[in-house]
Amino acid sequence: QQQVKQSPQSLIVQKGGISIINCAYENTAFDYFPWYQQFPGKGPALLIAIRPDVSEKKEGRFTISFNKSAKQFSLHIMDSQPGDSATYFCAASMKGGETSGSRLTFGEGTQLTVNP
Amino acid sequence: DAGITQSPRHKVTETGTPVTLRCHQTENHRYMYWYRQDPGHGLRLIHYSYGVKDTDKGEVSDGYSVSRSKTEDFLLTLESATSSQTSVYFCASRVGGGEQFFGPGTRLTVL
Repeated sequence: QQQVKQSPQSLIVQKGGISIINCAYENTAFDYFPWYQQFPGKGPALLIAIRPDVSEKKEGRFTISFNKSAKQFSLHIMDSQPGDSATYFCAASMKGGETSGSRLTFGEGTQLTVNP
Repeated sequence: DAGITQSPRHKVTETGTPVTLRCHQTENHRYMYWYRQDPGHGLRLIHYSYGVKDTDKGEVSDGYSVSRSKTEDFLLTLESATSSQTSVYFCASRVGGGEQFFGPGTRLTVL
C-alpha cells in the first residue's frame, strides 16, 4: 500500500523557472514531511522538511507548502538552475515509541531536469 | 554523509548464493535503516534497528535478515539471493529527531 503518492514522475523546466513537485499522503498520523534530493550515483540527502504546525517553510530557493486538510504538500524550487537537476523524493513519518524507528515512507520520486 | 560508508559498492552474484552488505557509521547514531531503491518505487524500508541487537521489519523484509552487534555496524544479509533482489541498497542512520543520513549505496546484481 503506497501511503505517499508523488507527482509528476519527471519534470523538465527551463533555467530560471519554477519547479513544482506534489505529494499526497493518506495517514493522518504522519507528523514529519521531508524532501530528499538525490544526484546520480549518490545517496539521498535531506533538502528541507516541515511539520504540520506550519503551512509553509522556506530555505533559500526551496519552499515547502503544506495543506493539512487536503493531506498534500509540495516542493517549489524558485529560479531553477541546471545544478538542481536531480531526483527528488518526498517522504513522511509519524512519531512513535523508541522502538518504532520513526520510519520514513517515501514517494516514488520525481526526476527533475533543468535546461540551461 | 554523516560518516556512513557501505561495502561493497558494487556486487554481482548468482541466484541462490548468500550475500551480506555492510553499513558502517561513525556518528554513534542509535537508529539505522536498510532501504532498497527501484525505479517507480522510491525507497522502501527493508529492516531497521533501534539499538544494538534490536531490529525490526520494514515493508519489504521477506528474503532479508539483519544483524547489529555494535552501534556502528548494521549488516544486511540476503539468505538466498534471487533476481528480484537486484537493486540499489541504501543504508541510513539517525540519532534522534527526524533527519536520516544516507550512505552512498550498494548496487547489487543477481544473475
